[in-house]
Amino acid sequence: KQEVTQIPAALSVPEGENLVLNCSFTDSAIYNLQWFRQDPGKGLTSLLLIQSSQREQTSGRLNASLDKSSGRSTLYIAASQPGDSATYLCAVRRYSGAGSYQLTFGKGTKLSVIP
Amino acid sequence: DAGITQSPRHKVTETGTPVTLRCHQTENHRYMYWYRQDPGHGLRLIHYSYGVKDTDKGEVSDGYSVSRSKTEDFLLTLESATSSQTSVYFCAISLLAGSDEQYFGPGTRLTVT
Repeated sequence: KQEVTQIPAALSVPEGENLVLNCSFTDSAIYNLQWFRQDPGKGLTSLLLIQSSQREQTSGRLNASLDKSSGRSTLYIAASQPGDSATYLCAVRRYSGAGSYQLTFGKGTKLSVIP
Repeated sequence: DAGITQSPRHKVTETGTPVTLRCHQTENHRYMYWYRQDPGHGLRLIHYSYGVKDTDKGEVSDGYSVSRSKTEDFLLTLESATSSQTSVYFCAISLLAGSDEQYFGPGTRLTVT
C-alpha cells in the first residue's frame, strides 16, 4: 500500500526566506506527483504536476523536483511571502487497474510566513 | 478556476438519516472523484467515476454509494449517516485518467450528530 509522508507537519519562516517542503512515498511505481495548496476552510488548488519521467517543474517562485527511485519530492518556494501561508499537500498517482488511476495524499505541511 | 460546485456547502444531520451531496461541473471532464478529509488522515478517496453510470470504489467506500446519470453531476449518498462520517467532503474532476491534474471543488462540511 502506498504511503505518503510530509515532513515537517508545520513550518514557520520569516518573510523573504527560501524554503523547501518535503514529500516521501513508499512505492516508486508512480505515474505522477501533484502538489496542492489548501487555504483554511477552502478546497485544494493545484500548484504543480510532475510526470514520472520528469525531474522537475517550475511555476513562478515554485519549483518541484521528483526523484522517483528514492521516493522523494521537494517543493521549493523562493522569496516567501505572507500570502504563501497555507497547507501544502503532495499526492502521488498510481495505476489502480481497469484504466483507472488513484491519488494518495500526504497529510500536508502547514506553512506560516511571518511578516 | 475549474467550474466545480458542491451543494450543500454545510449540513448538519442526525444519525441514521440519509444524506446526499452533489457535485456539479461545467468542464465536461470525464473523471470525477469524491474524497473525505479528516484531521490525522489527510484526504482519502471514497468513490470515483470514469464516465456516465461507470463508478468504482476507493479506499474508504463502506457506508457510501454514488451515482452519475449525467456527465456534469456526481452524487454521493450516505444511506444512514453515522457520527464517523462527520467530515469535510471534496469533489474533484480530471479530464484524463492518469496524466492530467485533478481539480477540486470548495468542499462540503458535514456534521452528523
